[in-house]
Amino acid sequence: AQSVSQHNHHVILSEAASLELGCNYSYGGTVNLFWYVQYPGQHLQLLLKYFSGDPLVKGIKGFEAEFIKSKFSFNLRKPSVQWSDTAEYFCAVYNFNKFYFGSGTKLNVKP
Amino acid sequence: DVKVTQSSRYLVKRTGEKVFLECVQDMDHENMFWYRQDPGLGLRLIYFSYDVKMKEKGDIPEGYSVSREKKERFSLILESASTNQTSMYLCASSSGLAGADTGELFFGEGSRLTVL
Repeated sequence: AQSVSQHNHHVILSEAASLELGCNYSYGGTVNLFWYVQYPGQHLQLLLKYFSGDPLVKGIKGFEAEFIKSKFSFNLRKPSVQWSDTAEYFCAVYNFNKFYFGSGTKLNVKP
Repeated sequence: DVKVTQSSRYLVKRTGEKVFLECVQDMDHENMFWYRQDPGLGLRLIYFSYDVKMKEKGDIPEGYSVSREKKERFSLILESASTNQTSMYLCASSSGLAGADTGELFFGEGSRLTVL
């Protein structure tokens, strides 16, 4: 079965700092890749997704992610974070007819 | 916009009680899912369904059952609630046939269940 690892459990940054959150998955077949975000008190919503094509994917609110097949990775990046980016971020992988989620990374951005 | 509605945001039940969590989606999605979300564990799949009256076990089905009598509705049932089932329960739906061309997941607001 697939497993998804998010190595950073809790990240604290100041506003304007750059962000990179790691995501690795275990099975290297055909996969669809996602990053979801959960703002405090809100439901999970999609940040970005990768199905095929350009491995650099741009999402909402200035986020982007890069799919590196050889490293089984799909890391999330943002050049300059804002206080409003404070949230929990989940990486997800779809294959074997299921969505598999990482354990999440809590991001706190200090104003 | 896709809307996934979960019937209860907060529930408090006693050990041994039967619990029903209801979920309705309004976008004619084929696929529906129930997850539980616990701190540090992420989202774990309980059950999912690709069609009416069809269900498949996820990674942690023990103590749960589901029902999908209509395409838009997917219910999670705890036959006899236990304290270790205290959690946030998330319903989600997606379009597309099972396989690599599935659409993304759309989530409901969640149902926070406390079992005393």
